[in-house]
Amino acid sequence: DTAVSQTPKYLVTQMGNDKSIKCEQNLGHDTMYWYKQDSKKFLKIMFSYNNKELIINETVPNRFSPKSPDKAHLNLHINSLELGDSAVYFCASSLIKYGPGGSYNSPLHFGNGTRLTVT
Amino acid sequence: DQQVKQNSPSLSVQEGRISILNCDYTNSMFDYFLWYKKYPAEGPTFLISISSIKDKNEDGRFTVFLNKSAKHLSLHIVPSQPGDSAVYFCAATPYNTDKLIFGTGTRLQVFP
Repeated sequence: DTAVSQTPKYLVTQMGNDKSIKCEQNLGHDTMYWYKQDSKKFLKIMFSYNNKELIINETVPNRFSPKSPDKAHLNLHINSLELGDSAVYFCASSLIKYGPGGSYNSPLHFGNGTRLTVT
Repeated sequence: DQQVKQNSPSLSVQEGRISILNCDYTNSMFDYFLWYKKYPAEGPTFLISISSIKDKNEDGRFTVFLNKSAKHLSLHIVPSQPGDSAVYFCAATPYNTDKLIFGTGTRLQVFP
C-alpha cells in the first residue's frame, strides 16, 4: 500500500535512447511533481501538475515531457538521453488545502526515487 | 543561486544528546519552511514545518526555530536516537506557490 510509487527503481541506458519513468499515488492528492537530485545532491523541482494541468515547468529541456493521464499518475518521458541526465528522479504528491489565509499545499509525499544512469 | 543553504554537510552526535541542524535562506518571499528526513534509497519524508508567522514549532522530540530577521532556521532533535541517523533537508516555499526550494542536506549520524 505504498503511497507514492515510481518505477523502475533503477534505469541504466545508453545515450540517445528514449525512456520513461512512471509514478502513481494512492493518497487522493491533486498535485504531483517531478524533482531531480543531481550528483551534487541538489534536489530541484522540474514539473508540477494539478488535476492533470501543468502548473510549474522549471526551464527543463524539451526532451523531458511529463504526461498526466489522471490526477493519480504523472509519468516522465525523456527523449535523446544525455550523460548529464544521470541523476535520481523523485516523484511527489500533495493536496491543496483551503484555509482562512487562502490556499496552500500539504507537505509533499515523495516516492523512493528512480536512479537513472546514462552511459 | 542557492536560495536555501545548509552549510554543514555532516553532523555527528552522541545518542541522548541534542542535535542542532541549521539552515539559512536568502529569499525574503519565503513564508513556509519544512524539514525533510531521508534514508538511503528512499525518498525524503516530511518531518516538521513552520509558517513565517511563527518562530517555533514543536512536535515530540523535534522543534523547529525560525529567525526571520536573520533568515535562519534550525531543527533541534532531543534526545537524539540512532534511528535519527539520516540526511536532513531544509526546504522553503515562496508565498502563494507550491514550489519547494531545497537545501543540499546535512547528514546526521547519531552514535551510541
